[in-house]
Amino acid sequence: YQLTQPPSVSVSPGQTATITCSGDKMGDKYASWYQQKPGQSPVLVIYQDNKRPSGIPERVSGSNSGNTATLTISGTQAIDEADYYCQAWDSSLVVFGGGTKLTVL
Amino acid sequence: QVQLQESGPGLVKASQTLSLFCIVSGDYISSADYYWSWIRQHPGKGLEWIGYIYYGGSTYYSPSLKSRVTMSIDTSKKRFSLSLSSVTAADTAVYYCARSPYSSLRLDYFDYWGQGALVTVSS
Repeated sequence: YQLTQPPSVSVSPGQTATITCSGDKMGDKYASWYQQKPGQSPVLVIYQDNKRPSGIPERVSGSNSGNTATLTISGTQAIDEADYYCQAWDSSLVVFGGGTKLTVL
Repeated sequence: QVQLQESGPGLVKASQTLSLFCIVSGDYISSADYYWSWIRQHPGKGLEWIGYIYYGGSTYYSPSLKSRVTMSIDTSKKRFSLSLSSVTAADTAVYYCARSPYSSLRLDYFDYWGQGALVTVSS
């Protein structure tokens, strides 16, 4: 099972960033999203498609339908610049997407 | 709030066995509410799940590494471990331990991660 993410996404400060994660019947699975900044461990930002862990701001949201899960960051700030990975569980395996580098220009 | 900390040699010779521990704060490791996983990240690359262990000792490994991986858990020492045999340069990576809430249906997500341990395989 494969999850496909765009290698990079660029956004201007204050705008909305959208990162997609595509996989066969992805909407039938739960999607999770992780943020990873250079030299740091990944941090869970969205789980079970659209739930935010404590401490994650409301401007971070997720959705999942059809073959695509989407991470949306509204009012993007410089601190959001990072790599983002999607993840799902399929056939008893954890699968990660290849990651998307979000650049805030 | 749980804390996870990886420990082990940062340098392993090719063909030998890589061994890492993950020390878990509090009593979480003895709880039936969590899975404990190892995940690695090759330099400059994405994340690769290695497998998980449950508090009772049951394990599940990624098929791509299954033949070389062994995980164990010691709740009395509040730690679980990873052994990866016959390593090559391709096993050079940052190795993370991570926690997942238990579900009978799936391993859903990783809510807490260790800081990571860089392991370099030398020839």
